[in-house]
Amino acid sequence: AQSVTQLDSHVSVSEGTPVLLRCNYSSSYSPSLFWYVQHPNKGLQLLLKYTSAATLVKGINGFEAEFKKSETSFHLTKPSAHMSDAAEYFCVVSVAWEYNQGGKLIFGQGTELSVKP
Amino acid sequence: KAGVTQTPRYLIKTRGQQVTLSCSPISGHRSVSWYQQTPGQGLQFLFEYFSETQRNKGNFPGRFSGRQFSNSRSEMNVSTLELGDSALYLCASSLDVGYEQFFGPGTRLTVL
Repeated sequence: AQSVTQLDSHVSVSEGTPVLLRCNYSSSYSPSLFWYVQHPNKGLQLLLKYTSAATLVKGINGFEAEFKKSETSFHLTKPSAHMSDAAEYFCVVSVAWEYNQGGKLIFGQGTELSVKP
Repeated sequence: KAGVTQTPRYLIKTRGQQVTLSCSPISGHRSVSWYQQTPGQGLQFLFEYFSETQRNKGNFPGRFSGRQFSNSRSEMNVSTLELGDSALYLCASSLDVGYEQFFGPGTRLTVL
């Protein structure tokens, strides 16, 4: 069965320092993985997605993630944090059933990112 | 292109009542999924519709139901509300499974 584990419920960084949000996944086959961000009282916005092309995926706002099959990880990074990055981040795996029978997203528990001035 | 819209944005109900939430997907999207977000359980899949047919349903009681219309707009209904149904209900639309899902701002339901 597919699942996602976000290793930190809360991460705090200073503005201008690197960001690392950790995610491990479990999947019986090659997964589709995503990172979404949710700002307070807002919906979810897609940051980036991995769909078995390049293992290093670049997303919006300077974020990127590296798919490591040997470690079953999909960590999210950003070289330099900005105050506007403060939000909750979700690592997500997409589960698709056979024969175009639809599917669903499985969300990690979320990591709240705080950015100190 | 207009995004996913959900109405109403906020709703207050009492136990035992029923509620209907609405979701209008992005034009051209035929797949609509619903998710419940709570502090304790996080984001959980409710159901997915495609071309007016429910393809998948999450592990929720039968009090939770939904439907999709021919214009792809979707509604979800919760009957006999319980305190534990208080949550943010998010709707997402996409072309189909495997494509990016675009989320609406959600409907915040409070059950008193």
